[in-house]
Amino acid sequence: TQLLEQSPQFLSIQEGENLTVYCNSSSVFSSLQWYRQEPGEGPVLLVTVVTGGEVKKLKRLTFQFGDARKDSSLHITAAQPGDTGLYLCAGAIGNEKLTFGTGTRLTIIP
Amino acid sequence: NAGVTQTPKFQVLKTGQSMTLQCAQDMNHNSMYWYRQDPGMGLRLIYYSASEGTTDKGEVPNGYNVSRLNKREFSLRLESAAPSQTSVYFCASKGRPGGALHFGNGTRLTVT
Repeated sequence: TQLLEQSPQFLSIQEGENLTVYCNSSSVFSSLQWYRQEPGEGPVLLVTVVTGGEVKKLKRLTFQFGDARKDSSLHITAAQPGDTGLYLCAGAIGNEKLTFGTGTRLTIIP
Repeated sequence: NAGVTQTPKFQVLKTGQSMTLQCAQDMNHNSMYWYRQDPGMGLRLIYYSASEGTTDKGEVPNGYNVSRLNKREFSLRLESAAPSQTSVYFCASKGRPGGALHFGNGTRLTVT
């Protein structure tokens, strides 16, 4: 059973467009992280959100943690080809175990 | 600073063969993890070790064993490989609760 569902699974858009990726669960998480993964490499952390309702910005990327700490979204403004990759959310229950979402494969077309 | 190093990068096994995937980190992290990644399923936790001398099962432990050899090294063993274990395996470490997972570059395993 996958605790974290991401949508969409695949997304292909033109450079310059905006997009939002969603990460949803019925479980409450103590924190939630977003990672990006390039082909042939391991995932790399983008951000950690801890407080319900928290919003964090990383240049053109905006991350939000749901008020109930069960869901999160990633919004990219003016997407660029360098944003292409696999985006993974991961929720923590307790301090040690991270459960990953199903992933969103994003392709930005120049 | 190498971070997390996994060996081998690629491996092909026949059904029933055994092998050990090696992982070492040089960041003095307490926690180490083994995940497998399959298309459309994200990363699934196989085993983890919160500290030297302890190991715990994750979501999909069946068919695997682990050893936390010391603080640096955490190995994953397949005693009798099955085609369902064809996957990309990632090792990761974490320095503090709530901190980032630092991943290796993965081992691509094919079982025929």
